Amino acid sequence: NAGVMQNPRHLVRRRGQEARLRCSPMKGHSHVYWYRQLPEEGLKFMVYLQKENIIDESGMPKERFSAEFPKEGPSILRIQQVVRGDSAAYFCASSPQLAGGPNEQFFGPGTRLTVL
Amino acid sequence: DAKTTQPNSMESNEEEPVHLPCNHSTISGTDYIHWYRQLPSQGPEYVIHGLTSNVNNRMASLAIAEDRKSSTLILHRATLRDAAVYYCILRGSGAGSYQLTFGKGTKLSVIP
Repeated sequence: NAGVMQNPRHLVRRRGQEARLRCSPMKGHSHVYWYRQLPEEGLKFMVYLQKENIIDESGMPKERFSAEFPKEGPSILRIQQVVRGDSAAYFCASSPQLAGGPNEQFFGPGTRLTVL
Repeated sequence: DAKTTQPNSMESNEEEPVHLPCNHSTISGTDYIHWYRQLPSQGPEYVIHGLTSNVNNRMASLAIAEDRKSSTLILHRATLRDAAVYYCILRGSGAGSYQLTFGKGTKLSVIP
């Protein structure tokens, strides 16, 4: 059973460009979570999605960031007009049911975004 | 989620047991204690969780204090592959508990 897959693993963008990060959850998982890890910091929750629905985006910056999880295909985290402060590792996690209490989340290897 | 406190770093010799402490004095009665670890340049990996009783799995053991205000993750024989940052996280069961709140964790170094 393949784990959570993220691509690309490394992404370099110049200021003002768009970044698209993709996440394929584990087979049978319909809940996806995105986290961001700034250099030398812990992971911070960004957004929680189910198929075709954004459930909680309280951790997402209000501008330039968006996320989707379509009926078919991977979840996408999109960052428009990137700035240097967006440079970070972005991790996707998935779970077969709502993760809470005892239920774990399964993380992907992350996408490391560098903004020049 | 309630706050946890962990030492910034610890060292262990290879093949010796490691005890990683975590204080969570404000834990509520329904909070689960989760441990995740993050190897260098990888995503976090679930290690173990518990509520009140001590727990064992193939990776580690979790010892929970009787008053639940602290816990200890035990790696029985540290290997070089166990060098990672270990995060102790409290998870409620209510709305919004799907968010994992990562602190700074404990960076474990394993000496060959």
